[in-house]
Amino acid sequence: DQQVKQNSPSLSVQEGRISILNCDYTNSMFDYFLWYKKYPAEGPTFLISISSIKDKNEDGRFTVFLNKSAKHLSLHIVPSQPGDSAVYFCAASGMNRDDKIIFGKGTRLHILP
Amino acid sequence: GAVVSQHPSWVICKSGTSVKIECRSLDFQATTMFWYRQFPKQSLMLMATSNEGSKATYEQGVEKDKFLINHASLTLSTLTVTSAHPEDSSFYICSAPDRDGYGYTFGSGTRLTVV
Repeated sequence: DQQVKQNSPSLSVQEGRISILNCDYTNSMFDYFLWYKKYPAEGPTFLISISSIKDKNEDGRFTVFLNKSAKHLSLHIVPSQPGDSAVYFCAASGMNRDDKIIFGKGTRLHILP
Repeated sequence: GAVVSQHPSWVICKSGTSVKIECRSLDFQATTMFWYRQFPKQSLMLMATSNEGSKATYEQGVEKDKFLINHASLTLSTLTVTSAHPEDSSFYICSAPDRDGYGYTFGSGTRLTVV
Protein backbone atom coordinates (compact mmCIF):
# COMPACT_ATOMS: atom_id res chain seq x y z
CA ASP A 1 0.00 0.00 0.00
CA GLN A 2 1.61 3.20 -1.16
CA GLN A 3 1.44 5.83 1.51
CA VAL A 4 2.87 8.51 -0.74
CA LYS A 5 1.59 8.65 -4.30
CA GLN A 6 2.76 10.59 -7.28
CA ASN A 7 0.21 9.67 -9.90
CA SER A 8 1.90 11.36 -12.85
CA PRO A 9 4.98 9.43 -13.96
CA SER A 10 5.99 12.23 -16.29
CA LEU A 11 5.20 15.82 -17.09
CA SER A 12 6.27 18.11 -19.94
CA VAL A 13 6.22 21.87 -19.51
CA GLN A 14 7.27 24.69 -21.79
CA GLU A 15 10.28 26.69 -20.62
CA GLY A 16 9.15 29.80 -18.78
CA ARG A 17 5.81 28.34 -17.79
CA ILE A 18 4.77 26.99 -14.42
CA SER A 19 5.46 23.35 -13.55
CA ILE A 20 3.10 21.78 -11.03
CA LEU A 21 3.99 18.43 -9.52
CA ASN A 22 1.39 16.73 -7.38
CA CYS A 23 1.58 14.30 -4.51
CA ASP A 24 -1.03 12.57 -2.36
CA TYR A 25 -0.56 10.77 0.91
CA THR A 26 -2.71 8.46 2.94
CA ASN A 27 -1.20 8.48 6.43
CA SER A 28 -2.64 11.26 8.56
CA MET A 29 0.28 10.89 10.97
CA PHE A 30 2.68 12.42 8.47
CA ASP A 31 3.55 15.92 9.51
CA TYR A 32 6.63 16.80 7.51
CA PHE A 33 6.84 16.73 3.76
CA LEU A 34 9.79 17.04 1.46
CA TRP A 35 10.56 17.30 -2.21
CA TYR A 36 13.73 15.88 -3.71
CA LYS A 37 15.20 16.36 -7.15
CA LYS A 38 17.21 13.70 -8.93
CA TYR A 39 19.40 13.98 -12.00
CA PRO A 40 20.48 10.84 -13.88
CA ALA A 41 23.35 8.98 -12.24
CA GLU A 42 23.08 11.07 -9.09
CA GLY A 43 21.32 10.62 -5.79
CA PRO A 44 18.23 12.64 -4.94
CA THR A 45 18.99 16.04 -3.43
CA PHE A 46 16.77 17.87 -1.02
CA LEU A 47 14.82 20.71 -2.60
CA ILE A 48 12.21 22.11 -0.25
CA SER A 49 10.12 20.99 2.68
CA ILE A 50 7.01 21.97 4.55
CA SER A 51 5.73 21.28 8.03
CA SER A 52 2.11 20.40 8.61
CA ILE A 53 1.58 23.60 10.57
CA LYS A 54 2.00 25.55 7.34
CA ASP A 55 0.12 25.49 4.08
CA LYS A 56 2.75 27.13 1.95
CA ASN A 57 6.52 27.39 1.83
CA GLU A 58 8.41 29.35 -0.76
CA ASP A 59 12.06 29.30 -1.75
CA GLY A 60 12.94 31.26 -4.85
CA ARG A 61 11.26 29.69 -7.87
CA PHE A 62 9.99 26.77 -5.80
CA THR A 63 6.81 26.80 -3.75
CA VAL A 64 5.26 23.87 -1.96
CA PHE A 65 1.60 23.92 -1.02
CA LEU A 66 0.06 21.61 1.54
CA ASN A 67 -3.64 20.80 1.83
CA LYS A 68 -3.94 18.66 4.92
CA SER A 69 -7.65 18.04 4.64
CA ALA A 70 -7.16 16.64 1.16
CA LYS A 71 -3.87 14.97 2.08
CA HIS A 72 -2.36 16.59 -0.95
CA LEU A 73 0.72 18.61 -1.63
CA SER A 74 2.12 20.17 -4.73
CA LEU A 75 5.37 21.67 -5.88
CA HIS A 76 5.22 24.71 -8.14
CA ILE A 77 8.23 25.78 -10.16
CA VAL A 78 7.96 29.14 -11.84
CA PRO A 79 9.37 30.03 -14.24
CA SER A 80 10.48 26.59 -15.38
CA GLN A 81 14.03 26.38 -16.68
CA PRO A 82 15.84 23.71 -18.73
CA GLY A 83 17.89 22.73 -15.68
CA ASP A 84 14.70 21.79 -13.90
CA SER A 85 14.39 18.69 -16.09
CA ALA A 86 14.81 15.88 -13.59
CA VAL A 87 12.89 13.36 -11.54
CA TYR A 88 11.11 14.85 -8.54
CA PHE A 89 10.29 12.77 -5.48
CA CYS A 90 7.68 13.64 -2.92
CA ALA A 91 8.39 12.29 0.56
CA ALA A 92 6.73 12.34 3.96
CA SER A 93 7.68 11.58 7.52
CA GLY A 94 6.14 11.59 10.98
CA MET A 95 6.51 13.83 13.96
CA ASN A 96 9.64 12.33 15.43
CA ARG A 97 13.09 13.31 14.30
CA ASP A 98 14.07 9.71 13.68
CA ASP A 99 10.94 8.76 11.77
CA LYS A 100 11.50 7.17 8.41
CA ILE A 101 10.91 9.13 5.30
CA ILE A 102 8.51 7.48 2.87
CA PHE A 103 9.05 8.28 -0.78
CA GLY A 104 6.74 8.45 -3.75
CA LYS A 105 7.80 6.88 -7.02
CA GLY A 106 8.74 10.14 -8.62
CA THR A 107 7.61 12.31 -11.51
CA ARG A 108 9.89 12.92 -14.45
CA LEU A 109 9.73 16.57 -15.49
CA HIS A 110 10.73 17.57 -19.00
CA ILE A 111 11.19 21.25 -19.69
CA LEU A 112 10.64 21.91 -23.38
CA PRO A 113 12.56 24.67 -25.18
CA GLY B 1 2.64 -2.07 -8.18
CA ALA B 2 6.32 -2.71 -7.82
CA VAL B 3 7.46 -3.36 -4.27
CA VAL B 4 10.92 -3.45 -2.78
CA SER B 5 11.01 -5.18 0.57
CA GLN B 6 13.84 -4.03 2.81
CA HIS B 7 14.89 -5.84 5.99
CA PRO B 8 15.53 -5.33 8.75
CA SER B 9 13.64 -2.12 9.48
CA TRP B 10 15.93 -1.35 12.37
CA VAL B 11 18.95 -2.95 13.91
CA ILE B 12 21.17 -2.24 16.88
CA CYS B 13 24.61 -3.77 16.87
CA LYS B 14 27.83 -3.56 18.79
CA SER B 15 30.91 -1.83 17.44
CA GLY B 16 33.04 -4.16 15.41
CA THR B 17 30.26 -6.43 14.27
CA SER B 18 28.79 -6.69 10.79
CA VAL B 19 25.24 -6.06 9.71
CA LYS B 20 23.54 -7.21 6.54
CA ILE B 21 20.66 -5.31 4.98
CA GLU B 22 18.54 -6.96 2.32
CA CYS B 23 16.43 -5.48 -0.43
CA ARG B 24 14.16 -7.78 -2.40
CA SER B 25 12.11 -6.84 -5.41
CA LEU B 26 8.89 -8.73 -4.85
CA ASP B 27 7.08 -8.63 -8.16
CA PHE B 28 9.62 -7.47 -10.64
CA GLN B 29 13.22 -8.10 -11.53
CA ALA B 30 15.58 -5.42 -10.38
CA THR B 31 18.72 -5.56 -12.46
CA THR B 32 19.86 -2.39 -10.74
CA MET B 33 19.62 -1.36 -7.11
CA PHE B 34 20.71 1.95 -5.67
CA TRP B 35 21.88 2.12 -2.08
CA TYR B 36 21.58 5.39 -0.20
CA ARG B 37 22.50 6.67 3.20
CA GLN B 38 20.20 9.28 4.62
CA PHE B 39 20.87 11.95 7.18
CA PRO B 40 17.95 13.39 9.16
CA LYS B 41 15.90 15.79 7.04
CA GLN B 42 18.71 16.03 4.51
CA SER B 43 19.58 14.67 1.12
CA LEU B 44 20.10 11.06 0.37
CA MET B 45 23.70 10.22 -0.36
CA LEU B 46 24.13 7.68 -3.09
CA MET B 47 26.60 5.14 -1.80
CA ALA B 48 26.69 2.64 -4.61
CA THR B 49 24.84 1.10 -7.50
CA SER B 50 24.57 -2.66 -7.63
CA ASN B 51 24.01 -4.54 -10.83
CA GLU B 52 22.93 -8.15 -10.98
CA GLY B 53 25.81 -10.42 -11.80
CA SER B 54 28.53 -7.79 -11.73
CA LYS B 55 30.48 -5.73 -9.25
CA ALA B 56 28.83 -2.76 -7.63
CA THR B 57 29.84 0.74 -8.59
CA TYR B 58 30.77 2.80 -5.54
CA GLU B 59 30.59 6.55 -5.27
CA GLN B 60 33.66 8.53 -4.45
CA GLY B 61 34.49 8.45 -0.78
CA VAL B 62 32.55 5.27 -0.03
CA GLU B 63 34.73 2.44 1.25
CA LYS B 64 33.94 -0.64 -0.79
CA ASP B 65 35.60 -2.92 1.75
CA LYS B 66 33.44 -1.54 4.50
CA PHE B 67 30.14 -1.46 2.65
CA LEU B 68 29.94 -4.76 0.82
CA ILE B 69 27.26 -4.95 -1.82
CA ASN B 70 26.10 -8.14 -3.42
CA HIS B 71 23.50 -8.48 -6.16
CA ALA B 72 23.52 -12.18 -6.78
CA SER B 73 20.06 -12.48 -8.27
CA LEU B 74 17.52 -10.35 -10.10
CA THR B 75 15.42 -10.05 -6.97
CA LEU B 76 17.93 -9.63 -4.17
CA SER B 77 20.58 -7.06 -3.37
CA THR B 78 22.36 -6.89 -0.03
CA LEU B 79 24.45 -4.28 1.75
CA THR B 80 26.74 -5.48 4.51
CA VAL B 81 28.23 -2.93 6.85
CA THR B 82 31.41 -4.57 8.08
CA SER B 83 33.16 -3.77 11.35
CA ALA B 84 30.50 -1.23 12.15
CA HIS B 85 31.35 1.88 14.15
CA PRO B 86 29.07 4.40 15.83
CA GLU B 87 29.62 6.85 12.98
CA ASP B 88 28.01 4.30 10.66
CA SER B 89 24.76 4.78 12.54
CA SER B 90 22.33 6.09 9.98
CA PHE B 91 19.30 5.36 7.89
CA TYR B 92 20.04 3.23 4.83
CA ILE B 93 17.58 2.90 1.99
CA CYS B 94 17.56 1.07 -1.32
CA SER B 95 15.79 1.93 -4.54
CA ALA B 96 15.24 0.19 -7.84
CA PRO B 97 14.07 1.61 -11.16
CA ASP B 98 10.55 0.53 -12.05
CA ARG B 99 9.92 -1.71 -15.01
CA ASP B 100 8.53 1.10 -17.09
CA GLY B 101 11.71 3.09 -16.67
CA TYR B 102 9.93 6.14 -15.35
CA GLY B 103 9.71 5.76 -11.61
CA TYR B 104 11.66 4.33 -8.76
CA THR B 105 10.54 2.09 -5.94
CA PHE B 106 12.14 2.66 -2.58
CA GLY B 107 12.57 0.16 0.18
CA SER B 108 11.20 1.09 3.59
CA GLY B 109 14.67 1.77 4.92
CA THR B 110 16.84 0.38 7.70
CA ARG B 111 17.81 2.37 10.75
CA LEU B 112 21.19 1.19 11.94
CA THR B 113 22.41 2.08 15.40
CA VAL B 114 25.90 1.03 16.36
CA VAL B 115 26.65 1.10 20.07
